[in-house]
Amino acid sequence: QVQLQQSGPGLVKPSQTLSLTCAISGDSVSSNSAAWNWIRQSPSRGLEWLGRTYYRSKWYNDYAVSVKSRITINPDTSKNQFSLQLNSVTPEDTAVYYCAGGQLVDAFDIWGQGTMVTVSS
Amino acid sequence: QSALTQPASVSGSPGQSITISCTGTSSDVGGYNYVSWYQQHPGKAPKLMIYDVSNRPSGVSNRFSGSKSGNTASLTISGLQAEDEADYYCSSYTSSSTPYVFGTGTKVTVL
Repeated sequence: QVQLQQSGPGLVKPSQTLSLTCAISGDSVSSNSAAWNWIRQSPSRGLEWLGRTYYRSKWYNDYAVSVKSRITINPDTSKNQFSLQLNSVTPEDTAVYYCAGGQLVDAFDIWGQGTMVTVSS
Repeated sequence: QSALTQPASVSGSPGQSITISCTGTSSDVGGYNYVSWYQQHPGKAPKLMIYDVSNRPSGVSNRFSGSKSGNTASLTISGLQAEDEADYYCSSYTSSSTPYVFGTGTKVTVL
């Protein structure tokens, strides 16, 4: 049974970097048939796909145009996890952040528990 | 990339069937068979209910079914139960620079 466990701070100051980690159990971040995503949800923007990382003999990343200049998603094979970094945050980045993924590349079959991140000084 | 359009709310009585629509364009819903549906109860993470338009993951009740016609996908819940009361979101792969888009969400109320 695949599970995703998120960790990271719930409060970030404006202009700083939001950092979250998603630990995978029951599957591998290096799986040649899986994809690992970050998605956020806010009342103003609804559900918003942010980006993904996946391995197909080499590592690939895709990012949403809306955050492309500020986002990095990195796999960590030694810890079987992947991370989200979002730079230069503003209050508009306040949202519940979810990691999600699994073997269904074009759907999100496993979700983390969610992390409420507030951007405020 | 604009969000896919869903009705804000749909309601039905226990035992009835309801259908939620998800309207996009030929660049997303109409162009690919990668539409998925998610159920979200308050304070919880979304749960995958349907993938690739009409496939149910293991463990999801067969009361949930999906279909697509042109640029509109649909989720049907038959034999409505109190536990089905939740928010539902569709998602689709897109040919735009952002590969995935979600719907605006539909609140299902069981009367």
